[in-house]
Amino acid sequence: AQSVTQLDSQVPVFEEAPVELRCNYSSSVSVYLFWYVQYPNQGLQLLLKYLSGSTLVKGINGFEAEFNKSQTSFHLRKPSVHISDTAEYFCAVSDYGNFNKFYFGSGTKLNVKP
Amino acid sequence: ETGVTQTPRHLVMGMTNKKSLKCEQHLGHNAMYWYKQSAKKPLELMFVYSLEERVENNSVPSRFSPECPNSSHLFLHLHTLQPEDSALYLCASSQEAAPGSGNTIYFGEGSWLTVV
Repeated sequence: AQSVTQLDSQVPVFEEAPVELRCNYSSSVSVYLFWYVQYPNQGLQLLLKYLSGSTLVKGINGFEAEFNKSQTSFHLRKPSVHISDTAEYFCAVSDYGNFNKFYFGSGTKLNVKP
Repeated sequence: ETGVTQTPRHLVMGMTNKKSLKCEQHLGHNAMYWYKQSAKKPLELMFVYSLEERVENNSVPSRFSPECPNSSHLFLHLHTLQPEDSALYLCASSQEAAPGSGNTIYFGEGSWLTVV
C-alpha cells in the first residue's frame, strides 16, 4: 500500500507571500497524483492532478505542483497567496494497480495572515 | 446543486440507535466511495462500489453497513456505534473504479456524525 506524507501540519504565511506545501509518497511504481483543498465545513475540491506528460501541473486559483519521480514528491506552490486561500490541503496518490484507490496525506492547514 | 449531495449534514446519535447516511451523485458516475475523516488522521477509505458491486472493504467494523441500490445512490447504515466513530463521513464518486483509470474523485460536503 502507498503512504503519503505531508511534512507540515500547519503553514502560516502572510498575504501575497509565496508558499510551498510539501508532499512525498512511498512507492516508486507508476502513480497518479492529486491535490485537494478543503474549506471549513465543506468537502474536498480538486485543485490539480498529474496523470502523465509535463511534470509541472497548473491548477485552479493560481496553484501549481511539480511531479518529481526520483524524489517521489509532488509539492504544491503558489507565488502569491490570498486570505481566501486559508484552508486545509490534502495530497493524494492513486496507483495504477488498484481500484481507483486513493491514499491521502494527513493534510496541511494553510493559514494566510493579513 | 453540487455534483455529490450528502444528507444529513449533521447527525447526533446514541450508541444504541440505528441511523443512515445518504449520498446521491448527479454526475453519471459508475463508482462511489465512503471515506472517514477524523481529526489529525489521514482520510480513511471505508468502501468502494463499482456499478453497484462492492469492490473494496477496508476492514471496517460491521457496525457500518453500506448499501448501493443503484449507481447514483449510496447509503451508510449505522448501528451500535462507539464514541470514537464520531467523525466527518465523506461520500465521493468517480467515473469508474477500474485499476489504472486515474479518474478524479469528486466529494460531497460530508456528514458530521457525533456519537454520544
